[in-house]
Amino acid sequence: AQSVAQPEDQVNVAEGNPLTVKCTYSVSGNPYLFWYVQYPNRGLQFLLKYITGDNLVKGSYGFEAEFNKSQTSFHLKKPSALVSDSALYFCAVKDTGRRALTFGSGTRLQVQP
Amino acid sequence: DARVTQTPRDKVTEMGQEVTMRCQPILGHNTVFWYRQTMMQGLELLAYFRNRAPLDDSGMPKDRFSAEMPDATLATLKIQPSEPRDSAVYFCASGLGSREDTQYFGPGTRLTVL
Repeated sequence: AQSVAQPEDQVNVAEGNPLTVKCTYSVSGNPYLFWYVQYPNRGLQFLLKYITGDNLVKGSYGFEAEFNKSQTSFHLKKPSALVSDSALYFCAVKDTGRRALTFGSGTRLQVQP
Repeated sequence: DARVTQTPRDKVTEMGQEVTMRCQPILGHNTVFWYRQTMMQGLELLAYFRNRAPLDDSGMPKDRFSAEMPDATLATLKIQPSEPRDSAVYFCASGLGSREDTQYFGPGTRLTVL
């Protein structure tokens, strides 16, 4: 069975500071990992994904994520946070043989001016 | 700018009534997913289709929920009869079908069952 853990319900960061949103996963095969963002009353928007290759993946809006196989983590990062980055962030994983995503519980990012 | 569309965006109904939610996947996508989002359970997979055939509906209460794809441009999720515990936001997503493929989500249908 595949699972995803997002240990922080909320992350607070000041505008201009770097941000990290944590994600760990558990799968039986090779993981395909995704980050999505959800703004209020909106659907989920794709940010980035790791399939294979470089452990550092770059995505939309200046976000990037680092795949760490030994720590089974896929943390989302951004060097300089914007107030407009405030939203709900979801990590998700696909396991071998599955097409559907398993989502984490979500982390609310609050960027203060 | 291709997008997944969902209708209605909001639905308020009374317990016992039938509810039908519709989704138009991105043209050319051959997989469609239905997810439900609640505060308590987060995002849960209800069902998914590939080339209009249901591949997994194990997340769906079979006695009251049904999902279909009458054609490649329309997916439906029906609840009959609806119950207050069905109140949630229902998202449809579509993709190209490979395992590494990205799923693209619609805006969701917010269902409130009174």
